[in-house]
Amino acid sequence: AQTVTQSQPEMSVQEAETVTLSCTYDTSESDYYLFWYKQPPSRQMILVIRQEAYKQQNATENRFSVNFQKAAKSFSLKISDSQLGDAAMYFCAYRSMYSGGGADGLTFGKGTHLIIQP
Amino acid sequence: DTAVSQTPKYLVTQMGNDKSIKCEQNLGHDTMYWYKQDSKKFLKIMFSYNNKELIINETVPNRFSPKSPDKAHLNLHINSLELGDSAVYFCASSQGRDREGEKLFFGSGTQLSVL
Repeated sequence: AQTVTQSQPEMSVQEAETVTLSCTYDTSESDYYLFWYKQPPSRQMILVIRQEAYKQQNATENRFSVNFQKAAKSFSLKISDSQLGDAAMYFCAYRSMYSGGGADGLTFGKGTHLIIQP
Repeated sequence: DTAVSQTPKYLVTQMGNDKSIKCEQNLGHDTMYWYKQDSKKFLKIMFSYNNKELIINETVPNRFSPKSPDKAHLNLHINSLELGDSAVYFCASSQGRDREGEKLFFGSGTQLSVL
């Protein structure tokens, strides 16, 4: 079974600064997807960014970018020019590309609580 | 229009009761899921349902049962509620694993409190 580890329970950053959230995962598969989801106090789960494992190029979405290191099984999220609205729980998630039995869907890390200091 | 909607948003009930949470998606997706988020914010899959095939996470008690009247709905029934069932329950859907289809779209969650 795949596991996802987020080693930072909480991170704090000054507004307008850059912050990096860490994520590592364990899998024996070669093809898969990785995601970062944001959960603000409203509780809604919002997709921030996704990465396909077969793509070497790191995904970017505006101020959000990832550093995907497949060999190291690392998938960190960088948030540039942090804004107050970025304050939320951030979850790293893994999804297999193939059906391998068991309940399908995403495997989540335990989350990182991001605090933005004004 | 809300893509994945679940009701109610909040549910407070007594231990031992039976309750249901409804979920509907208007995205035309083939697969729906239920996730449980515990008090420490950990999200864990409970069920996935695709083309009438139900896959159950082995850790889910059989007091929990999903019911799907059609492809757009996956309701969650919980019998004999226990204190430990208190959590936020999320419904989600996805098209599958085709490109762009592997993303999950989540409902806004139902906070269940068992007293």
